[in-house]
Amino acid sequence: AQKITQTQPGMFVQEKEAVTLDCTYDTSDPSYGLFWYKQPSSGEMIFLIYQGSYDQQNATEGRYSLNFQKARKSANLVISASQLGDSAMYFCAMRGRNFGNEKLTFGTGTRLTIIP
Amino acid sequence: SAVISQKPSRDICQRGTSLTIQCQVDSQVTMMFWYRQQPGQSLTLIATANQGSEATYESGFVIDKFPISRPNLTFSTLTVSNMSPEDSSIYLCSACTGTGVTETQYFGPGTRLLVL
Repeated sequence: AQKITQTQPGMFVQEKEAVTLDCTYDTSDPSYGLFWYKQPSSGEMIFLIYQGSYDQQNATEGRYSLNFQKARKSANLVISASQLGDSAMYFCAMRGRNFGNEKLTFGTGTRLTIIP
Repeated sequence: SAVISQKPSRDICQRGTSLTIQCQVDSQVTMMFWYRQQPGQSLTLIATANQGSEATYESGFVIDKFPISRPNLTFSTLTVSNMSPEDSSIYLCSACTGTGVTETQYFGPGTRLLVL
């Protein structure tokens, strides 16, 4: 079974500051993928970043980077220079590779509010 | 990448009726999924839509309540049958593209369903 834990239900961050959203996971699969999504109030799920478990380097996409610490089973999302438009729900998710685990499992999410 | 569209975007339905949601992907994809997001909650996988065979349902979801079709590699439908107010949710279609470092799972804009 796979499990994603996001321990921060809500965060308030000053505009232009960096923010780290925490995510820990548990899986028995030796190979898996980790994802972060943003869900603004409009409800759409916006893909932000992907990290494979065997990727040597931490993934980066513009202002988003994933701090992947495999031994600690953590995959924190770092947003640099936060903007007002970053206010949204953020979900961490993972997908395994073994049969039966190829589905995306989501955490409970973190609501991020950027303060001007 | 993949662009996913859903119809309808929202609907208000009477209890006891059924609604069919359509999902169209702009490219051929191997795996398509249907998720439900109840108000204030995270995403829960309903089923994996398999092309040419029956969908694979997650625990707590059954084919009689959520029949799914997938006639080809770009299209799927989800029907919410004999609706009750508890079915009021956002229903999201999703598809996987790429492999390894290019792997991504995209979501449609969602269908907001309110059952009265």
